[in-house]
Amino acid sequence: SYELTQPPSVSVSPGQTASITCSGGKLGDKYASWYQQRPGQSPVLVIFQDNKRPSGIPERFSGSNSGNTATLTISGTQSMDEADYYCQAWDSTTAGYVFGTGTRVTVL
Amino acid sequence: QVQLVESGGGLVKPGGSLRLSCAASRFTFSDYSMSWIRQAPGKGLEWISYITTSGSSIYYADSVKGRFTISRDNAKNSLYLQMNSLRAEDTAVYYCARVPLVDNDSFDIWGQGTMVTVAS
Repeated sequence: SYELTQPPSVSVSPGQTASITCSGGKLGDKYASWYQQRPGQSPVLVIFQDNKRPSGIPERFSGSNSGNTATLTISGTQSMDEADYYCQAWDSTTAGYVFGTGTRVTVL
Repeated sequence: QVQLVESGGGLVKPGGSLRLSCAASRFTFSDYSMSWIRQAPGKGLEWISYITTSGSSIYYADSVKGRFTISRDNAKNSLYLQMNSLRAEDTAVYYCARVPLVDNDSFDIWGQGTMVTVAS
């Protein structure tokens, strides 16, 4: 089965840049999406099709995807960005959606 | 505001059944493919099922194949998940989610979730 691996945690100081990686075989050949989940809330889509932001998502969220790694970058991180982040892709081989293992972002 | 509202969760014994519903509002439900996604307590997200607009194509994760059935009623703007032969490991918050028109590879709207607990 297809797997997406993320670092368990990332720490960042307010105003700095946080980068979250997502690794999977030939992930660059697929579209990567990213979700933010604050404690006790439902996930929110923050990036789709590798680097597109849905309406209402701040410009400080950006994404890239190449080779085996997709990356979510949060520029000028704010305390409100403290949350769990999940990458996700569609795997045509298994005809299923796959989520990454999740990364907890802590704003210190 | 576009909204998805799940219902039907609760406590069920191992081997039992439960039917979840997801009511859609403020968008043309019949235009969108839909999915169910779950999250066990303290764990990550797990996609479990997908259905196209007419129900002509349906996919399941291996973990629920043969036990869960996804369906929809476009006239009632509703999505369903029939869950049979439930196991302790099915304990989770179950979310319904919309697949956006512009991108079949993501989920742009999520419900608030409904909790399913499988325990004796």
